[in-house]
Parts: sequence; structure tokens; C-alpha cells
Amino acid sequence: AQSVTQLGSHVSVSEGALVLLRCNYSSSVPPYLFWYVQYPNQGLQLLLKYTSAATLVKGINGFEAEFKKSETSFHLTKPSAHMSDAAEYFCAVSEGSSGSARQLTFGSGTQLTVLP
Amino acid sequence: DAMVIQNPRYQVTQFGKPVTLSCSQTLNHNVMYWYQQKSSQAPKLLFHYYDKDFNNEADTPDNFQSRRPNTSFCFLDIRSPGLGDAAMYLCATRLRGGGDTQYFGPGTRLTVL
Repeated sequence: AQSVTQLGSHVSVSEGALVLLRCNYSSSVPPYLFWYVQYPNQGLQLLLKYTSAATLVKGINGFEAEFKKSETSFHLTKPSAHMSDAAEYFCAVSEGSSGSARQLTFGSGTQLTVLP
Repeated sequence: DAMVIQNPRYQVTQFGKPVTLSCSQTLNHNVMYWYQQKSSQAPKLLFHYYDKDFNNEADTPDNFQSRRPNTSFCFLDIRSPGLGDAAMYLCATRLRGGGDTQYFGPGTRLTVL
């Protein structure tokens, strides 16, 4: 079984400040991990994914995430927040190459607000 | 550009009046998913097709049905919408062997009056 916990349903940062969105996972097999972003009344857009290659993953819009197996974490960061980053962010896990279900399990989401 | 398209983007229906939502894709992916997403919640998987094989989630109400007439199209039918079915409905696709990445459409916002 797999699960995802996103700490903090709402995060506020000032424009130009560091963005840190937390994600912890549990998985019985080596996981694939994803971050998606959702703007109001839109679908989910893939920001980045980890699939067992480099542990530091760079995504679109200046975001990156680091896979830490010892901490079962996959936190999302961006050095300098922009107003356009305000959105809902979802962390998700799948069973990766050794799993058969291939479904995504989503966290409950973190709403990011960027203050001027 | 290859993409996932959902029509309509906004759908209003009346309580109990059947409604059909549509999804099409130009990615030629063999797996298609339907999710329901209520306000401030994560998407909830309703069902998925692996090619023509239909897979229903155990807690998906019988009121929800789906059809996939060909690789490109998938439909979500809600036979008798209730007020609790008002939500965003998301379609997603995945390519077998593509690393589990799902590609989402823009969604259909369903309002039930």
C-alpha cells in the first residue's frame, strides 16, 4: 500500500521568498514520485517527477524536488516565489517499475499563496 | 500539440437529468482515467480503461458509467446526478511503459441545480 502526506494545507510566502512544500510518502516498493500544480478551474499540470535516477529533480517554472529515501520525503522548493506560482500543489506516488497497479495516490494538496 | 481535451469545460444540469462528459486525446495513450475532484480536495479515481479493459474503483457509485469507443475517446455518463455530484471531473491518460506519468485534461466543472 502507498500513501502521501502533505504537511500544511495552506502555505503563504512573500514574493521573492523561498517556497518549500512538504511531502512524505510511504510505499512498499521503490516509488515513482510526482508533483503536480493546479491553477483555478484547470486540470493538473506535471511539474516534475522522480523515477529512480538522480535524487535531485528539476522541473518547470524553476521548481525542484529532492528524493530522500532515509526520510521518505520529496519536498518541493523554489528559490524565489513569483505571484504566478499561486496555485494548488499535489504530491503523488505510484508503485514504480516493480509495482503492478500503476495508479497514482495523491496527497491532500497544499494551497500556495504569494503575497506582494 | 498532442494533448488531452475535455468538453464541455462547464456543464450545468438539473437534479436527476442524465449528463455525459467527454474526453479525447491525441497522445495515443492506451490508459485513460476519470477522476472526480471536489473543492479543496485531491482527485478521486472513479475508473480507468487499460486499452478496452474497464476497471471500476470499488467505491465508485453505480450512478457513474463510462464508455471508451476507441483509443482516442472516453465518456463519463452520470445517469441521475445528485447535488453531491457537483464537482470538477478530470480525464487523464498514460502510456504503458511511460513511467506512470499521467497527463491531465483541463477538466469539466459540473453544476447540479
